[in-house]
Order: sequence, then C-alpha cells, then structure tokens
Amino acid sequence: ETGVTQTPRHLVMGMTNKKSLKCEQHLGHNAMYWYKQSAKKPLELMFVYNFKEQTENNSVPSRFSPECPNSSHLFLHLHTLQPEDSALYLCASSHPGLATNEQFFGPGTRLTVL
Amino acid sequence: QKEVEQNSGPLSVPEGAIASLNCTYSDRGSQSFFWYRQYSGKSPELIMSIYSNGDKEDGRFTAQLNKASQYVSLLIRDSQPSDSATYLCAGGSRAGGYQKVTFGTGTKLQVIP
Repeated sequence: ETGVTQTPRHLVMGMTNKKSLKCEQHLGHNAMYWYKQSAKKPLELMFVYNFKEQTENNSVPSRFSPECPNSSHLFLHLHTLQPEDSALYLCASSHPGLATNEQFFGPGTRLTVL
Repeated sequence: QKEVEQNSGPLSVPEGAIASLNCTYSDRGSQSFFWYRQYSGKSPELIMSIYSNGDKEDGRFTAQLNKASQYVSLLIRDSQPSDSATYLCAGGSRAGGYQKVTFGTGTKLQVIP
C-alpha cells in the first residue's frame, strides 16, 4: 500500500458515456499526476497538478478533463471517449519540496471503451 | 524527443543468478533516475532511486549511474522467482517545482526456478 488510492479499479464504458476517475493520496504530497499506460508503450504523462494548480497538460485531447480540488484529491473526467483510449490510467503523487521528489503510484484504473 | 531506452526482453535468468537490467537516456538535463518494478496487472512500485554517479545498494538491489555515458543499470543479486516482473527505468528533471519523469518501455525479467 503506497498511500495512493484510485477508484474505480475497473471501468467499462461506451463511447457516449460520461464517467470520472478518482485519486486520493494520504502522503502529504503537493504534486499529483495522471499517466496513461497502453500496451507496448512507455507511461505517458497526461497532467500535472502542483499545489492544486495545473502545471502540465501534455497535449491531451479535451475529452479528458482533470480536476484538482485540493492537494489530496485528483479527478479525471471522461466523456465521448474512443476505443483507443482503453488503457491503464495511473495516478501518482510526489513531494516537490523533497530533493528526491520520488513519485508513488496508485493501483490504477483499467479502462475499457466499447 | 527526450527518451529512455530499454531492451524489452524477456531477460531470463536462473534462480540465484544475478540479473542485469540496463537503460540509456537522452536528456542530459536529467538529474534523478528511478527503477520501478511492475507486476502484470499491477501499478509500478518504486524500488530504487539514484542521483549521483556510482553505485547505490539496497539489499539485493544495486543501481548504477554513469552520467557521462548516460547509462543506468539495475543489478538484482540472488534472483528469486518473485522478482519476475517488468522493470521500468525512468529519468527525472525538476520542472517548475515538480518532478517531470520520462519512462522507458520496461524490460521483462523472468527468473526460472
């Protein structure tokens, strides 16, 4: 248990559905990240929030909409997704004030878009 | 394009042997390097981080960094079947107060009993 939780763990949705992924960290970190992991590809950074402010949007399509209400919670709102968006979505957190600034991952949400 | 390159494997080693995993990176601005272990269907788990040239040991794991050659490696001594997983190498640089990390595609390790 790394102190980063994600819900749901599995999600199947149609292309017209709207759903949200939730991430919560209990580590006192101030930076939170969304990554996408597809088969045979490296982890792709999607969004970064540092002290609740979005500091990185890695050319992610607008059908993915992040929200960070506070330093402990991060959401990823999904709408009109495509089948190629099926992947493992990982949340991570880190403490920017530490020299090490290591990132710790949640268990991920396995998303399938039909 | 800042990249981290790893051989995808699989790397097969017998139980009790030393497993050697290698990684190269292109971004000379990278200041910190990480090895994550990822079991099938699970999320990455941080097992080692290294910031200075040389070796860093933690139990059966030794990370090695050579910034001049832009090379990072992970040695696993006395390999166990439970070490069978995909190992992700990553390089990080500070960007506006947070850590921007670039991951490799991972090397699959199989430890044969």
